[in-house]
Amino acid sequence: DAKTTQPPSMDCAEGRAANLPCNHSTISGNEYVYWYRQIHSQGPQYIIHGLKNNETNEMASLIITEDRKSSTLILPHATLRDTAVYYCTVMDSNYQLIWGAGTKLIIKP
Amino acid sequence: DADVTQTPRNRITKTGKRIMLECSQTKGHDRMYWYRQDPGLGLRLIYYSFDVKDINKGEISDGYSVSRQAQAKFSLSLESAIPNQTALYFCATSDPRISGNQPQHFGDGTRLSIL
Repeated sequence: DAKTTQPPSMDCAEGRAANLPCNHSTISGNEYVYWYRQIHSQGPQYIIHGLKNNETNEMASLIITEDRKSSTLILPHATLRDTAVYYCTVMDSNYQLIWGAGTKLIIKP
Repeated sequence: DADVTQTPRNRITKTGKRIMLECSQTKGHDRMYWYRQDPGLGLRLIYYSFDVKDINKGEISDGYSVSRQAQAKFSLSLESAIPNQTALYFCATSDPRISGNQPQHFGDGTRLSIL
């Protein structure tokens, strides 16, 4: 099963773009990448997912490298409310999400 | 996500007690999941169900059991609770009707402490 690796923490200034990297070098060809965030100990909130192509929605953009070994979540204009732990996960062939330890993103005023 | 409701939200109990955590959903999703989260770590899958009466073990099913008697309800039981089952428990749902890769949607969690 593919595993994900993320930096444990990052800072970003309010109003700037936050770029969160994730490595998933063992991902298989049909495994999707999903991003969630968790604020305090609330339930994880779905952000975005993708397979090969870059994706964008009202919350964020997802950039996946051509070899699919890594991806970057972009929050275009970070606000203080975006402070959270961000998880990059992979859905395996049994439709199970594989979670890492996440990146704690702190948005600074 | 208010469409996925977990009860209780908090529970403190003693070693050896039987505990049941309930999850109900109004999203009409066929797939339901139970996860466990320990401090500073990601989620780990305990059990999942793709339909009523369908039960599948996840990564860490030992010491747990589940029941899926209706589409909207998925309950998790600890038959004889032990302190290292102290954790945050999350229920999630997903809808496979569009594709099997639809995202999972989570409840607000149950904080369980076993003394």
